[in-house]
Amino acid sequence: KAGVTQTPRYLIKTRGQQVTLSCSPISGHRSVSWYQQTPGQGLQFLFEYFSETQRNKGNFPGRFSGRQFSNSRSEMNVSTLELGDSALYLCASSWGDREGEQYFGPGTRLTVT
Amino acid sequence: DAKTTQPTSMDCAEGRAANLPCNHSTISGNEYVYWYRQIHSQGPQYIIHGLKNNETNEMASLIITEDRKSSTLILPHATLRDTAVYYCIVRVVGGSNYKLTFGKGTLLTVNP
Repeated sequence: KAGVTQTPRYLIKTRGQQVTLSCSPISGHRSVSWYQQTPGQGLQFLFEYFSETQRNKGNFPGRFSGRQFSNSRSEMNVSTLELGDSALYLCASSWGDREGEQYFGPGTRLTVT
Repeated sequence: DAKTTQPTSMDCAEGRAANLPCNHSTISGNEYVYWYRQIHSQGPQYIIHGLKNNETNEMASLIITEDRKSSTLILPHATLRDTAVYYCIVRVVGGSNYKLTFGKGTLLTVNP
């Protein structure tokens, strides 16, 4: 079974621009979560979507947003990029049930210059 | 979610068992213990989880103390490919919480 895929794998953007990252979950999984990983802050939860609805949200500014489509694929968008947004953005999928273990993709490495 | 405490780093000889401890003294009754690992530059990988009984799968064993205040992840025969950062996470199951709160984890280095 194919794993979680994320596109693009690497991205370079300039301050002030916006960016959209894509995540395709494991077939059958209905929950998609997004995380940001930086050397200073480690892995931090951004938000989680289930059946096209945001269920959980982390402590990130409104510049970070996401959505989920009816096929469970998800996108996250960051507007007005700042240098501090440079990070590895990870997507994880799960069945979305009570104990659901999450399966992570390889991540998108975003560099903001 | 309850806070977890893990050693910053550990070493293990290839072929030996790696025992990674985790302290979660404030865990509550509806919180599960999850273990993930992250090999350098890859996404985290799910290993195992449990509530109060010991659990085993093809990757590892999870031993949870009777009072549930600590747990140990056991990799029975560590290989060089097991070198990674291992995260112990406590998560409320049920309700509307589906996020994972990662700490700094333990860097396990398996030596030849």
